[in-house]
Amino acid sequence: NAGVTQTPKFRILKIGQSMTLQCTQDMNHNYMYWYRQDPGMGLKLIYYSVGAGITDKGEVPNGYNVSRSTTEDFPLRLELAAPSQTSVYFCASSRTTSLSGNTIYFGEGSWLTVV
Amino acid sequence: QKEVEQNSGPLSVPEGAIASLNCTYSDRGSQSFFWYRQYSGKSPELIMSIYSNGDKEDGRFTAQLNKASQYVSLLIRDSQPSDSATYLCAARNTGGFKTIFGAGTRLFVKA
Repeated sequence: NAGVTQTPKFRILKIGQSMTLQCTQDMNHNYMYWYRQDPGMGLKLIYYSVGAGITDKGEVPNGYNVSRSTTEDFPLRLELAAPSQTSVYFCASSRTTSLSGNTIYFGEGSWLTVV
Repeated sequence: QKEVEQNSGPLSVPEGAIASLNCTYSDRGSQSFFWYRQYSGKSPELIMSIYSNGDKEDGRFTAQLNKASQYVSLLIRDSQPSDSATYLCAARNTGGFKTIFGAGTRLFVKA
């Protein structure tokens, strides 16, 4: 059972570099999300998507971009990395937003350090 | 700003005791509520979801919801050292796309 798969698991970036965190899900979920989690803090929504070709900003979108060309894939792009982007990033998905199907399933996380 | 508030803890309980975790939310439009468990260095995993006022039991876990008080709780009976983790409370509007997470409560179960 693959579920939500994200890569890489660990990455060190230099200030100003760019990179893409990859995310794919095999549950045929329409909804996908990117969260970041800073130490001792809750999860903050960066971007979300309600289906292929449709994305929207979450709570903390600055410095990031996303695309959703297929139902399965939802990559997160970091442009001009800054130390403030040092965090753990979680990709997630859910089947619907209705009452019975909106449980969020998380990937294993990507630890990113910007130095 | 819609928020979910939790006591950060740590909450320490002896093995076999009942652990009580609490959460309040500010958005009265919230309809779905979730408790996730997160071990250190791992991703959150769903323990319980609750949508209606009252109690919902699943094994050693009981979730309680009081929409009038905007209050959600999680009881863990017969706590085990393996229950030691951070517990995240989350709230979501039905049909909405944003699930709001609390910062989590750290639980330690002492053997």
